[in-house]
Amino acid sequence: AQSVTQLGSHVSVSEGALVLLRCNYSSSVPPYLFWYVQYPNQGLQLLLKYTSAATLVKGINGFEAEFKKSETSFHLTKPSAHMSDAAEYFCAVSEGWNQGGKLIFGQGTELSVKP
Amino acid sequence: NAGVTQTPKFQVLKTGQSMTLQCAQDMNHEYMSWYRQDPGMGLRLIHYSVGAGITDQGEVPNGYNVSRSTTEDFPLRLLSAAPSQTSVYFCASSNGLAGLYNEQFFGPGTRLTVL
Repeated sequence: AQSVTQLGSHVSVSEGALVLLRCNYSSSVPPYLFWYVQYPNQGLQLLLKYTSAATLVKGINGFEAEFKKSETSFHLTKPSAHMSDAAEYFCAVSEGWNQGGKLIFGQGTELSVKP
Repeated sequence: NAGVTQTPKFQVLKTGQSMTLQCAQDMNHEYMSWYRQDPGMGLRLIHYSVGAGITDQGEVPNGYNVSRSTTEDFPLRLLSAAPSQTSVYFCASSNGLAGLYNEQFFGPGTRLTVL
């Protein structure tokens, strides 16, 4: 069975500092991987997705993630944090294109940004 | 397009009561899903549907029923509410075609408290 582990339930950075949110996955087949963001009292919004076309994936709001098969990782980064990046971030894996309704989520990482 | 809509936004129930959480999407998506979100546990799949008339269980289906009579609607029924069902519930939909790689669109959520 596929699974996702996010290292660190809370991450705090200073404004302008590098953001690094860690995600490791377990999958017996080539995975489809996603990062979603959830702002307070809102639903989830897609940041970026990996679909095997390129290992470095660029998303919205300056975020990017790199797929590393050897490390089974899909870490999310942003070079310079902004106060508006404060939110909860979820890594997720899909069980395949014909399983569109089934996403497996990590437990989430709450990012806080200090001025 | 309104996207994915959910009603109600908030609900308080007493143990043993039943209710239906409504979900609708206007994007003609085949796939629809229900998740629950609990602190430290990410989102867990309750039920999903790959098209009208077809539903299946997710990771945590006990105590919940679903049906899919139309493409647009996917209601979630709590048969006899229990305090363990206190959670935030999210409905999501996706096109499901290979070219879109399962990107899911989430509703704003329903916050349910069972006393």
